Amino acid sequence: DTAVSQTPKYLVTQMGNDKSIKCEQNLGHDTMYWYKQDSKKFLKIMFSYNNKELIINETVPNRFSPKSPDKAHLNLHINSLELGDSAVYFCASSQMAGGNQPQHFGDGTRLSIL
Amino acid sequence: DQQVKQNSPSLSVQEGRISILNCDYTNSMFDYFLWYKKYPAEGPTFLISISSIKDKNEDGRFTVFLNKSAKHLSLHIVPSQPGDSAVYFCAASEENDMRFGAGTRLTVKP
Repeated sequence: DTAVSQTPKYLVTQMGNDKSIKCEQNLGHDTMYWYKQDSKKFLKIMFSYNNKELIINETVPNRFSPKSPDKAHLNLHINSLELGDSAVYFCASSQMAGGNQPQHFGDGTRLSIL
Repeated sequence: DQQVKQNSPSLSVQEGRISILNCDYTNSMFDYFLWYKKYPAEGPTFLISISSIKDKNEDGRFTVFLNKSAKHLSLHIVPSQPGDSAVYFCAASEENDMRFGAGTRLTVKP
């Protein structure tokens, strides 16, 4: 059983399109995250939700909109995709919010913009 | 601004020897530190952590050392095994703010 699953695994699309990445966790965790791993391999947090409420919103273009229909799901919708959005996006969850909580990561979605 | 730095992009070690992975940080407000391990095409998996009130935490073959005055932490793996070959990420946090380093690729040669 996959603990944190994100779909799709690969996403290739044209500049200007709108796309979504879905994430689900079956760990019963309260907190979920989205990270972007850029070309320099740094993992940068984008958003964090705790019990469906936004608690972290880093400086991310407002073309990126997270949606948490329930605490087991955190989806990421991206409008008007740009070349610089090409990256690997990781979803993660933790039992509760807080920097001392180990996070469980999905396997990533590799987004390529043509 | 890279608040967490892993200055060695790669490290190669012989099986059975000790692997030492280093991490430096700049923000003195960080109070919790974690190490994650990542295999290709998978997400990072949590390995070991340490609170800023401690200077050492050990879990089996893995030990993390924290030197707060130097803003430096290290992960020791002994003995190293070929299955330890992966990218290791250091992370540091203050409340909900977590920052990751760029990772060090460890190769353990049989």
